[in-house]
Amino acid sequence: EVQLVESGGGLVQPGGSLRLSCAASGFTVNSNYMSWVRQAPGKGLEWVSVIYSGGSTYYADSVKGRFTISRHNSENTLYLQMDSLRAEDTAVYYCAGGPYYYESGGYGVSFDYWGQGTLVTVSS
Amino acid sequence: QSVLTQPPSASGTPGQRVTISCSGSSSNIGSNYVYWYQQLPGTAPKLLIYKNNQRPSGVPDRFSGSKSGTSASLAISGLRSEDEADYYCATWDDSLSGPVFGGGTKLTVL
Repeated sequence: EVQLVESGGGLVQPGGSLRLSCAASGFTVNSNYMSWVRQAPGKGLEWVSVIYSGGSTYYADSVKGRFTISRHNSENTLYLQMDSLRAEDTAVYYCAGGPYYYESGGYGVSFDYWGQGTLVTVSS
Repeated sequence: QSVLTQPPSASGTPGQRVTISCSGSSSNIGSNYVYWYQQLPGTAPKLLIYKNNQRPSGVPDRFSGSKSGTSASLAISGLRSEDEADYYCATWDDSLSGPVFGGGTKLTVL
């Protein structure tokens, strides 16, 4: 059974930092397209960041330069270092993973598995 | 504003068939696969449809997906009370070089 378990959320002041973790079991982090997706209170899903199986990383413009995605292969864990946090970063953060491919129908990113989410609240 | 456009709400009575639309552009839906996710209240999203119209193991065949040009649709037949949830479409966007989500549709079973 696949499990993704996030931790590290909490209340932080504007300008502060937090590090989120996503521990995986039954699923290999470094063999899949691993992302962080967030959901502000009462809002929809927003993709935040990705680390490809090859190690390349990409970020949404809204977090570029402030967030850093990484992974620890031997611990099978995904991380998100969040610095210079703003009120608008308040959200439930989910780690999600699955295959990434390019086929006849174009590019595909399938978030087959999701964690339960961890709440980050940025407030003074 | 989301890159993909969904109606904010939809509704139906038990047993009915409802469809949820997702509109995009040539740089996303028009050239890539579409996915649908179901988010039950208070839970994480769950993959419902992948590669436009494929169902993961365990997803009832009451759920079906389709794509035409720069739009996609999710159809739910034989509506049940447990289908009451938020539904999100998603795809890859060539211009943004990343995945994008629709704004979500809240389905109410009357």
